[in-house]
Amino acid sequence: DTGVSQDPRHKITKRGQNVTFRCDPISEHNRLYWYRQTLGQGPEFLTYFQNEAQLEKSRLLSDRFSAERPKGSFSTLEIQRTEQGDSAMYLCASRGQGVNYGYTFGSGTRLTVV
Amino acid sequence: GEDVEQSLFLSVREGDSSVINCTYTDSSSTYLYWYKQEPGAGLQLLTYIFSNMDMKQDQRLTVLLNKKDKHLSLRIADTQTGDSAIYFCAESDGGFKTIFGAGTRLFVKA
Repeated sequence: DTGVSQDPRHKITKRGQNVTFRCDPISEHNRLYWYRQTLGQGPEFLTYFQNEAQLEKSRLLSDRFSAERPKGSFSTLEIQRTEQGDSAMYLCASRGQGVNYGYTFGSGTRLTVV
Repeated sequence: GEDVEQSLFLSVREGDSSVINCTYTDSSSTYLYWYKQEPGAGLQLLTYIFSNMDMKQDQRLTVLLNKKDKHLSLRIADTQTGDSAIYFCAESDGGFKTIFGAGTRLFVKA
C-alpha cells in the first residue's frame, strides 16, 4: 500500500458543470476525511467518514457538495453546479482506528473553475 | 471559536536553526501537530505532541509546548535547503476534526 491516492490530480471545469473526485485511503484505515485548501491557507475540514458512515457533514460548504464512501473503502466528493469560488485544492486524508497521531494525506486534487 | 495562528514567513541560512511558532485558542486541545507541505503535494505529518507533554524531540526536530500560554513551537536544527516548505501547526481535541493554521513558509538560503 503506497499511501492515500487521489484522482485526478488536476481538474479544470467550466462554471456550472459537476465534478467528482476520488480518494483511495490506506487500506487498513477506517477513518477518512475531506479537507479544502485555498491559496495561502491551511486545510479546512469538510466531512468525515468512519467506515461507510458519514459521521459529520455539517461543514460541507453548501448543498452543492456531497460525499460518499459506499463500501467503507474509497470515497468520492462531488460538487454540483461549480462556481469560481470552488477553485481550491481538495485534500483527502485517512487515519486508523484508535490512533489519534495524525493524518496521512493524499496529494490532493486541484480544481480550477473557469 | 477555535483558531490557530502562525507567522507567515521565516527565512534562515543553511546550517542555522529554524524556530516556527504557533498559538492556539482551544483550551481542550489534546493533540498538537506539525505538518510539512512541499509545492504541489499534500501535507506530511512531521511530529505530534500530547497536551500533557512539554517537549518532544525527534532527530533534528524539537517541539516545545507551553500549555498555559497555548503556544507551540517547532525547532529544526541544522536547517537544510530541503527543509524549505510550508509548515502547518494543527490542533485537535480528539474529536473528528483538526484545526490547521495558515502555515509558515520557510525559506532556507544556501
